[in-house]
Amino acid sequence: SQTIHQWPATLVQPVGSPLSLECTVEGTSNPNLYWYRQAAGRGLQLLFYSVGIGQISSEVPQNLSASRPQDRQFILSSKKLLLSDSGFYLCAWSVPGVINEQFFGPGTRLTVL
Amino acid sequence: SQKIEQNSEALNIQEGKTATLTCNYTNYSPAYLQWYRQDPGRGPVFLLLIRENEKEKRKERLKVTFDTTLKQSLFHITASQPADSATYLCALRGGYQKVTFGTGTKLQVIP
Repeated sequence: SQTIHQWPATLVQPVGSPLSLECTVEGTSNPNLYWYRQAAGRGLQLLFYSVGIGQISSEVPQNLSASRPQDRQFILSSKKLLLSDSGFYLCAWSVPGVINEQFFGPGTRLTVL
Repeated sequence: SQKIEQNSEALNIQEGKTATLTCNYTNYSPAYLQWYRQDPGRGPVFLLLIRENEKEKRKERLKVTFDTTLKQSLFHITASQPADSATYLCALRGGYQKVTFGTGTKLQVIP
């Protein structure tokens, strides 16, 4: 069966520090991968998605970036965090195709102070 | 612009009653619509998918309707239980290989 991992589960970082969040998927190959952010009391905002290694699509201009160095690994990064980067970050995967139910990871709670 | 609207106010309902949640959309021509459940501090979990040529879909105590003329989906939970308390999100295909989520409606089932 497929599983999706995210780490760390929680993170407290000072403004201006770098960020690296990692997501890995097991039990499937060539998945579509997604990064979402959910601010307190807000909806899911799609940040990045990837349909293959090295293929990243950015949805919202921001100081975040994403990379997909391996088929089942998706990394969210920032060189300098802002206060507004605080939120709940969720990684998700789906089977490539027209109808793509998404499977979410456990999330990372990021607090920027 | 494209919009997905769900009632942002929480829905409180007595245990045993039917809960009905609404999802309205504009400027989409979705081939399908999905519903997810999200518990606090957790990622959303997929519940149901309904295609544009399906009027209704059922799964256990859940029922979803999809009216492409009204641009609306209704999500029903019959015989609601306190364990059904969560936030429910609807989602539409938002482009190539991705979906766009509504902001969700928080459901509270009162014992």
